[in-house]
Amino acid sequence: QVQLKESGPGLVQPSQTLSLTCTVSGFSLTSYNVHWVRQPPGKGLEWMGRMRYNGDTSYNSALKSRLSISRDTSKNQVFLKMNSLQTDDTGTYYCTRGMGARDYFDYWGQGVMVTVSS
Amino acid sequence: IQLTQSPSLLSASVGDRVTLSCKGSQNINNYLAWYQQKLGEAPKLLIYKTNSLQTGIPSRFSGSGSGTDYTLTISSLHSEDLATYYCYQYNNGWTFGGGTKLELK
Repeated sequence: QVQLKESGPGLVQPSQTLSLTCTVSGFSLTSYNVHWVRQPPGKGLEWMGRMRYNGDTSYNSALKSRLSISRDTSKNQVFLKMNSLQTDDTGTYYCTRGMGARDYFDYWGQGVMVTVSS
Repeated sequence: IQLTQSPSLLSASVGDRVTLSCKGSQNINNYLAWYQQKLGEAPKLLIYKTNSLQTGIPSRFSGSGSGTDYTLTISSLHSEDLATYYCYQYNNGWTFGGGTKLELK
């Protein structure tokens, strides 16, 4: 069955770089797009970026200067790296699978909570 | 495209018919989905392409709309429906609405 699972450090210091991994199973990264979405505590959802099935990437313009998404298809993994972290980057980070011609999200990972604090 | 959901908080009773609204800043061309999120859980897809019910979702959930205005309707509220609901557009980029929290009256 389709599964996505995020992993990474729970605590990151301000100004440092966040590195997260999304490990997928039940589908191929060369057939489906994978997106990253985050959610600050008690707030709404924010789309961050996309890894397309062909390796192309798209980013939220508000995060573009700090964000990088890559993948390793042999390991079924998609990576998120975001630098210059601040306290307002604290939240739960999700990876999710894009479905259909324009990507609605049908399967989500459980999410990983990231706290930015010294 | 920006999405505005209303109301931000809705109080309702079990058995009520509930309607949630989502308005886009531009034409969404029906590329509108709805998600349900319960506390501590990942969002769950309910409806995609305005009115297509995701597999396994109860038929009391339905979606409608066109252009810039869309609606999620719960025909008869169940206690397990208490959650926050987000609309999401994928016509031009990918953006979420601010959410409507559905609570018990």
